Amino acid sequence: EVQLVESGGGLVQPGGSLRLSCAASGFTFSSHEMNWVRQAPGKGLEWVSYITRIATTIYYADSVKGRFTISRDNAKNSLYLQMNSLRAEDTAVYYCAREGRDGYNLNSWGQGTLVTVSS
Amino acid sequence: EIVLTQSPGTLSLSPGERATLSCRASQSLSSIYLAWYQQKPGQAPRLLIYGASSRATGVPDRFSGSGSGPDFTLSISRLEPEDFAVYYCQQYGSSPPYSFGQGTKLEIK
Repeated sequence: EVQLVESGGGLVQPGGSLRLSCAASGFTFSSHEMNWVRQAPGKGLEWVSYITRIATTIYYADSVKGRFTISRDNAKNSLYLQMNSLRAEDTAVYYCAREGRDGYNLNSWGQGTLVTVSS
Repeated sequence: EIVLTQSPGTLSLSPGERATLSCRASQSLSSIYLAWYQQKPGQAPRLLIYGASSRATGVPDRFSGSGSGPDFTLSISRLEPEDFAVYYCQQYGSSPPYSFGQGTKLEIK
């Protein structure tokens, strides 16, 4: 069974940092591109970042570029999101999501971890 | 960057009725790059349809997708109580690789 389990969320002050983790199991992690997607309270889905299988290509949404860093450790079956210079508008549930083998869609999602940026 | 616009914002229907949800891309979009998701309160999104018309594993056949760029449709033939949720369309592109429509809330009338 495919499982993605996020952790690392919590309450942080504006300007602070947080590192999210996503532990993958039940599939060959190194064979899939991975993403972070977030959802602000009561709002829609916003794609945040993308990383290819061996991290040769990385993309970020303009809203997080220069502040967030995505990475992965295929030996540990783990995906990460380092978030710096956090703002109130970064408050959201953050999901890690696996891209399908054929690409173009996100066929498995974690349960999400809540990040709250507030003083 | 392709922008996806979903309509209506909210759809009020009764169980047993047919639902039709629309997603329009701001420019031409190949159907292989269009997917639909269902999200229930407190849950992660779930992939329903990929490649505009292919059902994901385990998705009931009352769900169907159709269309070609720029207009796509998600249909639910006979609504079950568990189908009332928010639905998002999603497109795959070059940069950014993913973007979503704003969602359609399907609520019980």
